[in-house]
Amino acid sequence: QVQLQESGPGLVKPLQTLSLTCTVSGGSISSSYWNWIRQPPGKGLEWIGYIYYSGSTDYNPSLKSRVTVSIDTSKNQFSLKLNSVTAADTAVYYCARRLPGDTFDIWGQGTVVTVSS
Amino acid sequence: EIVLTQSPGTLSLSPGERATLSCRASQSFSSSYLAWYQQKPGQAPRLLIYGASSRATGIPDRFSGSGSGTDFTLTISRLEPEDFAVYYCQQYVSSPLTFGGGTKVEIK
Repeated sequence: QVQLQESGPGLVKPLQTLSLTCTVSGGSISSSYWNWIRQPPGKGLEWIGYIYYSGSTDYNPSLKSRVTVSIDTSKNQFSLKLNSVTAADTAVYYCARRLPGDTFDIWGQGTVVTVSS
Repeated sequence: EIVLTQSPGTLSLSPGERATLSCRASQSFSSSYLAWYQQKPGQAPRLLIYGASSRATGIPDRFSGSGSGTDFTLTISRLEPEDFAVYYCQQYVSSPLTFGGGTKVEIK
């Protein structure tokens, strides 16, 4: 059974880069879309973007200028980088799998990232 | 961008009652690409319904989804204590993928 686990710093300073990694276990990272989704405290869900196993990407236009998602198939991992963060980027960050033509069926447990000096 | 508006914001009901949650889209799209999720405090969302009406693996049959075009509904036929949570609709027909603002189902 595929499982996802986020990892990375829980505290990032303003204007620095937020970096997170999602490790895929129990299955292959191939043939799926690998996504990042975030949830600010007490608010709803926002899709950040995805990377396909082949390397193609798509990002939410609201974040596109600051986001990069990459993949390392040899390690069964994919990563998120968000540049120039502010307090508004404080959120729980989730990684999630989406099969072609389908929706988010498997989620990581989420990791809290706080932007503060 | 497809905007999803959920109503009501909060639904106060008792165990055993029926819950009806609404999700309205800013433009019409195929029901094949509408999902519902349940989220409990401190947990990741859990997929309940995909394709507007198909239950995900392991989801009890008291959960049902319906709708088409711009109007979609999630129904919980008889609320169990574990059903009190926040529910989100989500479209995956076009980018950016978007979620509704959520409906909280709370114990009355």
